[in-house]
Amino acid sequence: ELKVEQNPLFLSMQEGKNYTIYCNYSTTSDRLYWYRQDPGKSLESLFVLLSNGAVKQEGRLMASLDTKARLSTLHITAAVHDLSATYFCAVDGGADSNYQLIWGAGTKLIIKP
Amino acid sequence: KAGVTQTPRYLIKTRGQQVTLSCSPISGHRSVSWYQQTPGQGLQFLFEYFSETQRNKGNFPGRFSGRQFSNSRSEMNVSTLELGDSALYLCASSPHVSLRVGGYTFGSGTRLTVV
Repeated sequence: ELKVEQNPLFLSMQEGKNYTIYCNYSTTSDRLYWYRQDPGKSLESLFVLLSNGAVKQEGRLMASLDTKARLSTLHITAAVHDLSATYFCAVDGGADSNYQLIWGAGTKLIIKP
Repeated sequence: KAGVTQTPRYLIKTRGQQVTLSCSPISGHRSVSWYQQTPGQGLQFLFEYFSETQRNKGNFPGRFSGRQFSNSRSEMNVSTLELGDSALYLCASSPHVSLRVGGYTFGSGTRLTVV
């Protein structure tokens, strides 16, 4: 059974700092997704990572995928308050899980001015 | 290009009633998935439909059911509502079950409150 673990689950940081959120998964997959959710809102797609070594960047966020280590990272550079949200990673389980996405528990990020 | 549309946005129901939620996927998307999100349990998968067929089902009681129509629109139904069913219900669409290279696109959700 594919399992996805995010850490940390909660992160409070100051503006201007850098930090990384980690997403580990338990079986082989080469498709991983990052989503953002603001309080009371829906999920917004941030990044789609489709191969080993994939790196995507958008503004102050950068996501990478290491399929051999079964690890994805979401790096935040020089955080600003607007990035406060909950971030989810999801892994495509492939044919073995009937192509179901398996979700992490989410990382709640609070960025203090 | 219209996004995923969920109706209604908010709903208040009484325990024991039933409710039907609707989801219209992005035009051309044939896969629709439903999720329940609560503060305690997080994001939980309910079911996924593709071409009117249920392909996946999460671990929810039989009170939760769904269907998909020939135009890919989907509905989910919850019968005999319980207080614990209060949640944000999210619908997500994608072009194809196994070609989900773009990931899911989520709707705005339906906030269900059971009193």
